[in-house]
Amino acid sequence: EEQLVESGGGLVKPGGSLRLSCAASGFTFSDYTMNWVRQAPGKGLEWLSSISSRSGYIYYADSVKGRFTISRDNAKNSLYLQMDSLTAEDSGVYYCARAPEGVSHPDNWGQGTLVTVSS
Amino acid sequence: DIQMTQSPSTLSAFVGDRVTITCRASQSISSWLAWYQQKPGKAPKLLIYKASNLESGAPSRFSGSGSGTEFTLTISSLQPDDFATYYCQQYAHYWTFGQGTKVEIK
Repeated sequence: EEQLVESGGGLVKPGGSLRLSCAASGFTFSDYTMNWVRQAPGKGLEWLSSISSRSGYIYYADSVKGRFTISRDNAKNSLYLQMDSLTAEDSGVYYCARAPEGVSHPDNWGQGTLVTVSS
Repeated sequence: DIQMTQSPSTLSAFVGDRVTITCRASQSISSWLAWYQQKPGKAPKLLIYKASNLESGAPSRFSGSGSGTEFTLTISSLQPDDFATYYCQQYAHYWTFGQGTKVEIK
């Protein structure tokens, strides 16, 4: 079964940092572009960042540029999101999602991990 | 940045009704549009990709149409399992999601 499993969420104070992980299994991880998408409580979906299959292309939404860093380790079938300078507006469920290379929609999502930024 | 505007924000309907949700893009996205269904506490589930292609396993009562800037998702006969929130998403230039349409029981 093709699966994505996020981890690393939790409670963090404003100004703090957190590192999310996404473990992939059941498919060739290195063939896919990977993305992070978040959903604030009771709100819609917001794309945050994407990284191409060999890490050659990396993009960020303006809302996280300069604070979040996406990375991947194809040998470990893992995707990461380093989140720094967190604010309350960063609270929400964080999903990893894969997409075939090129212009493509996400075709598989993880179940999400909850991040709460609060003092 | 490409903005996506969905309407309506909330929709009340009976089981068996035909339901249509509209999504407008701030600029042309060709047919690079997907539709998702999301239920509380769950990840989004892909229904339609490239504007009108039904995802494998998605019920045939779901259909999508449109191109350029105007798109629609139609549910031909609403079923109890369809009460959920629906999102459109453009993937022509990065990804942008609509604000969502909550389909409620009337």
